Amino acid sequence: EVQLLESGGGLVQRGGSLRLSCAASEITVNRYAMNWVRQAPGKGLEWVASLSGSGVTTNYADSVRGRLTISRDDSRNTLYLEMNVVRDDDTAVYYCVAGSFAYWGQGTLVAVSS
Amino acid sequence: QAVVTQEPSLTVSPGGTVTLTCGSTTGPVTNDHYPSWFQQKTGQAPRTLIYDTTKRHPWTPARFSGSRLEGKAALTLSGAQSEDEAEYYCLLSYSGVSPWVFGGGTKLTVL
Repeated sequence: EVQLLESGGGLVQRGGSLRLSCAASEITVNRYAMNWVRQAPGKGLEWVASLSGSGVTTNYADSVRGRLTISRDDSRNTLYLEMNVVRDDDTAVYYCVAGSFAYWGQGTLVAVSS
Repeated sequence: QAVVTQEPSLTVSPGGTVTLTCGSTTGPVTNDHYPSWFQQKTGQAPRTLIYDTTKRHPWTPARFSGSRLEGKAALTLSGAQSEDEAEYYCLLSYSGVSPWVFGGGTKLTVL
């Protein structure tokens, strides 16, 4: 069974930094497109970033481009989301999603405080 | 940037049939948008039901089907059950640097 386990969420000050991790099992992150999707409290889903299986291509939502960076460590079979200069509207549950959005983790909550 | 449109809410009777739709402000939804559908129950992570317009995952109940209908992607639920009460989201792919856009979601009530 494919499992995606996110970690690294928590309380972060506005303007600060945070790194989210997604450890994968029963799936190899460098064989699939990987994505981060977030959901603000009481709101809908928002695609945030994607990384191609080749690792060459990254894409970002306009709202995060230049501040958030998606990457992976093949040796750890882990996906990352580096968050810099966080803003209030980055507060959300962040989901790691694999394949053609087939497999979802349980999410990790990021809360930005002032 | 494109906006993906969904009905905010729908109600279906137990055993009944309901169709949710997914449109795009850029024009008709085609197979090149690779429409996907997701179900999210309260307090849970989303799970994928349909991808590439019509394809089910192994875990997708047969009562859910995907199609295109009058320029939109559609998710049809035939024989609704109480456990199908949830929020449903569609996702479309676009060319460009921000290629994925979710719809705002449809809250489905089985009543």
